[in-house]
Amino acid sequence: SQTIHQWPATLVQPVGSPLSLECTVEGTSNPNLYWYRQAAGRGLQLLFYSVGIGQISSEVPQNLSASRPQDRQFILSSKKLLLSDSGFYLCAWSVGGGGETQYFGPGTRLLVL
Amino acid sequence: AQSVTQPDIHITVSEGASLELRCNYSYGATPYLFWYVQSPGQGLQLLLKYFSGDTLVQGIKGFEAEFKRSQSSFNLRKPSVHWSDAAEYFCAVAAGGYNKLIFGAGTRLAVHP
Repeated sequence: SQTIHQWPATLVQPVGSPLSLECTVEGTSNPNLYWYRQAAGRGLQLLFYSVGIGQISSEVPQNLSASRPQDRQFILSSKKLLLSDSGFYLCAWSVGGGGETQYFGPGTRLLVL
Repeated sequence: AQSVTQPDIHITVSEGASLELRCNYSYGATPYLFWYVQSPGQGLQLLLKYFSGDTLVQGIKGFEAEFKRSQSSFNLRKPSVHWSDAAEYFCAVAAGGYNKLIFGAGTRLAVHP
């Protein structure tokens, strides 16, 4: 069966520090991968998605970047964190392109101080 | 532009009472619609989805949803709520390619004993 992992689970970082969040998927090949951010009391906003190794699409301009160095690994990064980067970051995967279900990881809670 | 509206930010019901969570979408083509549930500090779990066919969709945990094209709605229902149903519920529509999801802002459900 497929599983999705995210780490760390919780992170507290100072403003201006770098960021690296990792997401890995097991049990499937060539998945579509997604990064979402959920700000406090708000819905989910799609940040990035990837349909293959090295292929990244950004949905919103921001202080973050994403990379996919391996088929089942998706990394969210920042060179210098802002206060507004605080939130709950969720990784998800799906296969196919016809409205298939996305399956979500447990999330990383990021607090920037 | 595609969008999802969940008009109710908070809903409180008594245990054993019926529940209906509202969702309205804006999408030009035939939509793929989803309901997810999120427990505090956790990732999202799929409750049910609509792709085509029967407009009444059954999901997990006793939930169902009805797709009404004329009203652009996909409301979630449960005949008898349990205390463990207290969570946040998100409606989403798959928009564009690669299964990108647009989420509503969510409805937080509280259940009184």
